[in-house]
Amino acid sequence: EVQLVESGGGLVQPGGSLRLSCAASGFPFSSYWMHWVRQAPGEGLVWVSGIDSDGSKTIYADSVKGRFTISRDNAKNTLYLQMNSQRAEDTAVYYCAREDSAFDCWGQGTLVTVSS
Amino acid sequence: QAGLTQPPSVSKDLRQTATLTCTGNSNNVGNQGAAWLQQHQGHPPKLLSYRTNNRPSGISERFSASRSGNTASLTITGLQPEDEADYYCSAWDRTLNAWVFGGGTKLTVL
Repeated sequence: EVQLVESGGGLVQPGGSLRLSCAASGFPFSSYWMHWVRQAPGEGLVWVSGIDSDGSKTIYADSVKGRFTISRDNAKNTLYLQMNSQRAEDTAVYYCAREDSAFDCWGQGTLVTVSS
Repeated sequence: QAGLTQPPSVSKDLRQTATLTCTGNSNNVGNQGAAWLQQHQGHPPKLLSYRTNNRPSGISERFSASRSGNTASLTITGLQPEDEADYYCSAWDRTLNAWVFGGGTKLTVL
């Protein structure tokens, strides 16, 4: 069974940092692009970042470029999102998602709250 | 980054047919089509269709997707109470080099 499990969310102060993890199982993790998508409370889905199968190519939404860094460890079947210089508008549930022509598998999400 | 345009809400009667729309441009929807996702309150999204009209295994045939130019559509026939959810479209934008989503449509089944 394909499974994605996010962790690392929590409360962080403005300007602070947090690292999210997404543990993958049930599929050949190293064969897929992986992404982070977020959803602010009561709002819609917003794509954040993506990384290719071997980690050599990364892409970012303009709103997080220069502040967030996506990475992966294929030996550990784990996707990461390092979030620095966080702002109140980064408050959201962060989902990791597998890309197979579209976002076909999603984790349950982890909540990040940026507040003082 | 510009997103795709979806109507905020649609209401239809039980057992009727609902058609949801998603409008983009020639660099996203008009290029490779759109995918559709369903999200129930408090749950992660679920993929319903991709590359315009392909359904993942396990998705009911009551869900069908199509595209005309830069507008994608999701048609849900024989509406059931469990179809009440938020529906999002998504597409790869080749100019932005980014994935874009629509703002979502809340479907109410009366």
